[in-house]
Amino acid sequence: LAKTTQPISMDSYEGQEVNITCSHNNIATNDYITWYQQFPSQGPRFIIQGYKTKVTNEVASLFIPADRKSSTLSLPRVSLSDTAVYYCLVGDLLYSGGYQKVTFGTGTKLQVIP
Amino acid sequence: GAGVSQTPSNKVTEKGKYVELRCDPISGHTALYWYRQSLGQGPEFLIYFQGTGAADDSGLPNDRFFAVRPEGSVSTLKIQRTERGDSAVYLCASSLGAGGPNEQFFGPGTRLTVL
Repeated sequence: LAKTTQPISMDSYEGQEVNITCSHNNIATNDYITWYQQFPSQGPRFIIQGYKTKVTNEVASLFIPADRKSSTLSLPRVSLSDTAVYYCLVGDLLYSGGYQKVTFGTGTKLQVIP
Repeated sequence: GAGVSQTPSNKVTEKGKYVELRCDPISGHTALYWYRQSLGQGPEFLIYFQGTGAADDSGLPNDRFFAVRPEGSVSTLKIQRTERGDSAVYLCASSLGAGGPNEQFFGPGTRLTVL
């Protein structure tokens, strides 16, 4: 399983764009990159997933360079409610059954400041 | 619609006792996962079910831990002879299980405290 490295913590002011970068030098050809968000006392929640280039949804954007050895989660105009832990995951994917074994690291604790 | 539910939300037990933790996945989800999360750490994979069978139990720390999913829906994580080191939040997740990338939907977890 590819190991991921991301900053332990980040602070940001409300209204700013936040970029969290994750390194995954040993990513395999079949691996997808997935980001989850976790609030205290809750289970993680899926934010976004991608394989290459750029993916955007209503919550975030995910930028993946051509070599796929890193990825950047971009949160536009954060609010206090975005304070959470963000996990970058790379998973082995077996399409025949949809099994995705993933390994969560320690995540990045984002603190949004008023 | 209903998400993944877990019961109990909190469980306090004494060292050496047996506990069962229950997970109700999203209806129609054939894949089910158990994770364990210690304070300040990310979730740690324990076991994965596809239908009724445990397709990957490589994360179970030892033979005191066992999980079942007899009808391919509800799952129970069983811990025998609990130890203080078993104290953690136990998370359950489910996904569709069909081919392709699968989003895992997590429950709120069961906080287990072993005294």
